[in-house]
Amino acid sequence: AQSVTQLGSHVSVSEGALVLLRCNYSSSVPPYLFWYVQYPNQGLQLLLKYTTGATLVKGINGFEAEFKKSETSFHLTKPSAHMSDAAEYFCAVSVGGKLIFGQGTELSVKP
Amino acid sequence: NAGVTQTPKFQVLKTGQSMTLQCAQDMNHEYMSWYRQDPGMGLRLIHYSVGAGITDQGEVPNGYNVSRSTTEDFPLRLLSAAPSQTSVYFCASSHRVGQGLNQPQHFGDGTRLSIL
Repeated sequence: AQSVTQLGSHVSVSEGALVLLRCNYSSSVPPYLFWYVQYPNQGLQLLLKYTTGATLVKGINGFEAEFKKSETSFHLTKPSAHMSDAAEYFCAVSVGGKLIFGQGTELSVKP
Repeated sequence: NAGVTQTPKFQVLKTGQSMTLQCAQDMNHEYMSWYRQDPGMGLRLIHYSVGAGITDQGEVPNGYNVSRSTTEDFPLRLLSAAPSQTSVYFCASSHRVGQGLNQPQHFGDGTRLSIL
């Protein structure tokens, strides 16, 4: 069965610092991978996705993620954090027609 | 274009009551799903549907029922509410290309449900 693990339920960075949110997956077949963001009292919005092709995927708001098959990872990064990036971030894997989410990582950005 | 619409936004129930959470989408999406969100547990899949007349169970289906009589609507029924079902419920939809689920999910704004 596929699963998703997000390392760190809470990450805090200073404004302008690098953002790194970690995601590892387990899947017996090549997965489709997604990162979603959730702002308070809202639904989830797609940040980026990996389906096939280039392993470095660029998303909205300056975020990007790299699919590393050998490490079964899909970590999310942003070179310089902004106050507006404070939110909860979810990694998700799709295998066999279902979408499974990780536990989520809350990102705080300090001024 | 309304996207995914969930009603109600808030609801308080007593243990043992039943209710239906409504979800409607106007994007002609084949795939629809229900999740519950609880602190520290992310989103867990309750039920999903790949088209009208077809539904299947997700990770946590017990205590919930669904049907998909039209492409647009995917209601979630709580048969006999329990305090453990206190949660935020999200409906999502997407196109479905081939056998995979490689299209972005469109989420509703959620229903916040409290069971006393």
